[in-house]
This record gives sequence, structure tokens and C-alpha cells, in this order.
Amino acid sequence: DTEVTQTPKHLVMGMTNKKSLKCEQHMGHRAMYWYKQKAKKPPELMFVYSYEKLSINESVPSRFSPECPNSSLLNLHLHALQPEDSALYLCASSQVAEAEETQYFGPGTRLLVL
Amino acid sequence: KQEVTQIPAALSVPEGENLVLNCSFTDSAIYNLQWFRQDPGKGLTSLLLIQSSQREQTSGRLNASLDKSSGRSTLYIAASQPGDSATYLCAVSGDRGSTLGRLYFGRGTQLTVWP
Repeated sequence: DTEVTQTPKHLVMGMTNKKSLKCEQHMGHRAMYWYKQKAKKPPELMFVYSYEKLSINESVPSRFSPECPNSSLLNLHLHALQPEDSALYLCASSQVAEAEETQYFGPGTRLLVL
Repeated sequence: KQEVTQIPAALSVPEGENLVLNCSFTDSAIYNLQWFRQDPGKGLTSLLLIQSSQREQTSGRLNASLDKSSGRSTLYIAASQPGDSATYLCAVSGDRGSTLGRLYFGRGTQLTVWP
């Protein structure tokens, strides 16, 4: 099973709302990633978790708060977002957070901030 | 900082044509290069991964080559089909131990294959 699942598929939220995105994998991978992708642009790395610890934060605003409660699950908590945060949010995982490992991507959550 | 460029940005071809997508990168110190496919509004599907020590990889009608020293890769699609219509993204991975799995993506080539 090489599947990464993400929920919800779509999310509409207001600027004062609090919501969470969820990502799950059961491949025994110990590295998980959040990417943000705007329309017609490449994915941009946001966070990397390695063995459930945050190892990379690409200077992401604090209104995005990642959490890795266990090795299979990755959350992205959203609060006080701006309309420009509307994008496709992609989760990925790999065996470990090393350059030689293939990353497996989920289908993404399409977020619209009103 | 690694920069990845893909040419062309868009390509429209009739069914049955063989075609080539190009990818170039500025820093040759890569560990591997991956080609992904992305359907509109969907996630990324890995097509081929070439390690830096390899020259090419093949999967069905797809063939990817890598010239690490010149910073180039090509994705060859044989006998294209309408189902191949998607955006194709090239991504390179930094050298071992240096970037903790960071991928650098190109902007992609949007391919349309018409019947």
C-alpha cells in the first residue's frame, strides 16, 4: 500500500475560523511533509517532520501550525488565514527524510479562504 | 539556491505523437531527479525516479534520461494518448545529508493530447 490520504478534499473557511487538515499514511514512513501549491505554480515546501519531530519550517507564518501526533498522522492547524492562503495543500511521506528517498504524495486538500 | 526550469510550459499534440519534455537545473549536486504527473486539482503521482548515478529509467511508454553534469533531464513519451493529458513536473533532490529530503520543483509542462 503506497497511499497517502488527506481529508477533507475541499475546505471553505472564513478568516476568523479555525480548521485542521489531516494526512495519514500506513507505509511505516518516518518522514512527512506539507506543501502548498498555488494555481499553475510548483509545490512549495512548508514543513518537514522526521521521526515525529519538526525538522524544517520554511518560514511559514504562525497562522499555520503543524502537528505530528504519531508516525502515521500529520495535521495542519489553520487559524486566522488570509484569502491569499487559498491553495492546494499537499501532504507527502517518505521512508526517512533523506535526499535519496521517494516522496509519496496525497491527493491534496483544496482550501478557499473567504 | 537550486532552480529548476521546464520547457515548454505548455504543449498540445495530436494522439500518437512521440514527444519530449525538458527539465534543467542549476546545481548539479543532486541526489536524484523525479518526474511527476499532476491531473487538474489533484495530487502528484510519481512516474520515474532517476538516481544521480543512473543515465535513464523506463516505465512503459515513458523514458527519462539524466545528464547530471550538464544539469538536464528529458522525459520521452511514446505514442501519446489523450489520457496522458496532465501537467508533468520535474523535481530534484539535494545531495545526501544536505537538505533532509527537500525537493525542488519546476513549474511543469502542461500537456494536452487531442484525439
